[in-house]
Amino acid sequence: EVQLVESGGGLVQPGGSLRLSCAASGFTFSSSWMHWVRQAPGKGLVWVSRINGDGSSTSYADSVKGRFTISRDNAKNTLYLQMNSLRAEDTAVYYCARTTTFAVVIFDYWGQGTLVTVSS
Amino acid sequence: EIVMTQSPATLSVSPGERATLSCRASQSVSINLAWYQQKPGQAPRLLIYGASTRATGIPARFTGSGSGTEFTLTISSLQSEDFADYYCQQYNKWPPLTFGGGTKVEIK
Repeated sequence: EVQLVESGGGLVQPGGSLRLSCAASGFTFSSSWMHWVRQAPGKGLVWVSRINGDGSSTSYADSVKGRFTISRDNAKNTLYLQMNSLRAEDTAVYYCARTTTFAVVIFDYWGQGTLVTVSS
Repeated sequence: EIVMTQSPATLSVSPGERATLSCRASQSVSINLAWYQQKPGQAPRLLIYGASTRATGIPARFTGSGSGTEFTLTISSLQSEDFADYYCQQYNKWPPLTFGGGTKVEIK
């Protein structure tokens, strides 16, 4: 059974940093592109970042480029999102998502999310 | 960036009735469009990809159609478990991957 479990969310002050983790199990993690998608309270889904299977290629939304870094440790089956210079508008539930075996930009499994609140 | 616009924002439907949700792209995305369902407090679930292909385990009452810039998700006979938020997502041109703003299907 595919499982994705996010952790690391919490309350942080503006300008602060946080690192999110997503522990994966039930599939060959190193073969899967992984993404982070966020959802502000009461709002819609917004794509944040993606990483390929071996970690050699990444992409970011303009809103987080230069502040967030996606990475993975395939030995630990874990995906990360390092978030620096956090802003109030980064407040959201952050989901990690696995992509299908046939398309690296369609999400077939999602974690339950971890809430990040940026506030003083 | 391709902008996805969903309508209506809220759809009030009685159980057993048909629901029709729309999604429009600011430029052609061919058939590179997916639909997701999200219930309160839960993660999204993949319903449809390739504009019209149902994902594994998705009931036949969910039908996706369209191409180019206009897409439709039809739920033929709403069940109680279908009342949720629905999002379309284009993957034709990225980054960024973009989602529509969502349609809330509520009980009438």
